[in-house]
Amino acid sequence: KAGVTQTPRYLIKTRGQQVTLSCSPISGHRSVSWYQQTPGQGLQFLFEYFSETQRNKGNFPGRFSGRQFSNSRSEMNVSTLELGDSALYLCASSLVGGVRYNEQFFGPGTRLTVL
Amino acid sequence: AQTVTQSQPEMSVQEAETVTLSCTYDTSESDYYLFWYKQPPSRQMILVIRQEAYKQQNATENRFSVNFQKAAKSFSLKISDSQLGDAAMYFCASVPRTGNQFYFGTGTSLTVIP
Repeated sequence: KAGVTQTPRYLIKTRGQQVTLSCSPISGHRSVSWYQQTPGQGLQFLFEYFSETQRNKGNFPGRFSGRQFSNSRSEMNVSTLELGDSALYLCASSLVGGVRYNEQFFGPGTRLTVL
Repeated sequence: AQTVTQSQPEMSVQEAETVTLSCTYDTSESDYYLFWYKQPPSRQMILVIRQEAYKQQNATENRFSVNFQKAAKSFSLKISDSQLGDAAMYFCASVPRTGNQFYFGTGTSLTVIP
């Protein structure tokens, strides 16, 4: 079974621009979560989508948004980029229910650099 | 909300030796899961071991085991017979049983010395 995929793997943007990142979960997984990873901060939860609905949201400004499609693929968007948005953005999917409930499977991440 | 604290930013261990990574957490939830994830350099994060809070028995996965002290809210990871491939960033995480929002610690970078 294919793992979680994220595109693109690397992005370079300038301040003020916007960016869209994509995540395709493992087949059959309906929950997709997004995290921002920075050195010293660890992983910070952005939001979680389940069945096209945002179910949980972390403490990030409204510039960070996301959505999920009917096939469970998810996108996150960051508008008006700031230098501090430079980070590794990780997507994780999970199978809701069953023995493996709550285990999250991570993608390779998208490395965003804001200049 | 939950918080997870990893007080050791960096650790090192000699190959074939044993090392213990510390993690403490704080939660108001009565039931939750605890995890250790491993992130090798420039590679994907993978699950190392998982503990269900209602189970008193410590989880074990081959060379990896945990010391789960529920009353102390402590969840340490022991790696036995350390191998070069164990070198990675290790993250401790918790999640309520009824939710899907993971709370991660800031990670411990483990170096394995040949």
